[in-house]
Amino acid sequence: DGGITQSPKYLFRKEGQNVTLSCEQNLNHDAMYWYRQDPGQGLRLIYYSQIVNDFQKGDIAEGYSVSREKKESFPLTVTSAQKNPTAFYLCASSSEGTSGSYEQYFGPGTRLTVT
Amino acid sequence: SQKIEQNSEALNIQEGKTATLTCNYTNYSPAYLQWYRQDPGRGPVFLLLIRENEKEKRKERLKVTFDTTLKQSLFHITASQPADSATYLCALDPYNFNKFYFGSGTKLNVKP
Repeated sequence: DGGITQSPKYLFRKEGQNVTLSCEQNLNHDAMYWYRQDPGQGLRLIYYSQIVNDFQKGDIAEGYSVSREKKESFPLTVTSAQKNPTAFYLCASSSEGTSGSYEQYFGPGTRLTVT
Repeated sequence: SQKIEQNSEALNIQEGKTATLTCNYTNYSPAYLQWYRQDPGRGPVFLLLIRENEKEKRKERLKVTFDTTLKQSLFHITASQPADSATYLCALDPYNFNKFYFGSGTKLNVKP
């Protein structure tokens, strides 16, 4: 089965702790993304990576860090510097589709609650 | 600033009718625009893409239009069904960098 997996589905942490969210894909896609979604809002880009060992900040990168050591994996660390970490986190990957554009494939998401 | 706007109010329609959702954008000249469906607690799923040189695109009961002069895309679901109830998001890759910006989505409720 090809797809994107995120784990865990639900995550609870105490304030001040760093936490790492997992994202794995077996679609052989070059590009991977992390988005954050708050209730009633759209997706906001945290970080993205076009290729292994390279990544760029999105619009809300402060308080987050990523790595891209393997093509299949793009973990996101939510650090204690992130002021409002409670949110629904979505990982995605993409490659050029038949239409010549980059359709995104999303994982099931991780709901992080920090108290 | 760059902005993508979708109607934040839910759209309630009767089964069998056509649902029309709007996506407006400013300060972009995107080469293409995408539409996604998102069910509660799940990741979005890609539905359709339309290019700047295409006026209209169809897929089964779905139809998308793209007016680059108005900077607007319309997303239509004909013969709507309760199973079509979900939030629909539009997305742009305005600079062709494979970096996407999403609207906040419009929730569609189809009543039987």
